[in-house]
Amino acid sequence: DAGITQSPRHKVTETGTPVTLRCHQTENHRYMYWYRQDPGHGLRLIHYSYGVKDTDKGEVSDGYSVSRSKTEDFLLTLESATSSQTSVYFCAIGGGLAGDNEQFFGPGTRLTVL
Amino acid sequence: GQQLNQSPQSMFIQEGEDVSMNCTSSSIFNTWLWYKQDPGEGPVLLIALYKAGELTSNGRLTAQFGITRKDSFLNISASIPSDVGIYFCAGQKNTGNQFYFGTGTSLTVIP
Repeated sequence: DAGITQSPRHKVTETGTPVTLRCHQTENHRYMYWYRQDPGHGLRLIHYSYGVKDTDKGEVSDGYSVSRSKTEDFLLTLESATSSQTSVYFCAIGGGLAGDNEQFFGPGTRLTVL
Repeated sequence: GQQLNQSPQSMFIQEGEDVSMNCTSSSIFNTWLWYKQDPGEGPVLLIALYKAGELTSNGRLTAQFGITRKDSFLNISASIPSDVGIYFCAGQKNTGNQFYFGTGTSLTVIP
């Protein structure tokens, strides 16, 4: 929705290069999440944050790191990109006025690792 | 990881028909969410369910939180072409915990 933006929206990179994806929210939601979406797997959680500097791993966290230095920004970093990390990455937010039981998604970032 | 089984995987229906899809889990969830995703976009939240047995509507969409808390159902009445997309269920065990997603139901509406 308009309250969540992701950048870049598309990126092509080479194997072994570092990549950082950014998620920015204007909704002041407590929780922020990074997912990847691949055919046949649906949405899988990479990492999430439950507050500034508070993060935890999801089910597919290997090869990824995150940082949240302020409420509105959540960064996902691929330290050394691999072809298996080619995917569509979605950021989501939750824990706003609707409570902790809902999530709202950003528009996604399509990453291709050659 | 946690598996949510969503069925059917795909549906092809005539405009005007009703649609039913469901999501089942081996675990108990305390929250169920239903999303719709259009090509090239992020999932959009349709309905949120918080209580076993709860039935909630959003226009032509109706979703139910199963009594066992291990399943949820989504119905779309009188389908129209703009209903085309992929529908996802998501479950959460406890407030603040992560959500688990089904693999989606792809809906095609034939005019």
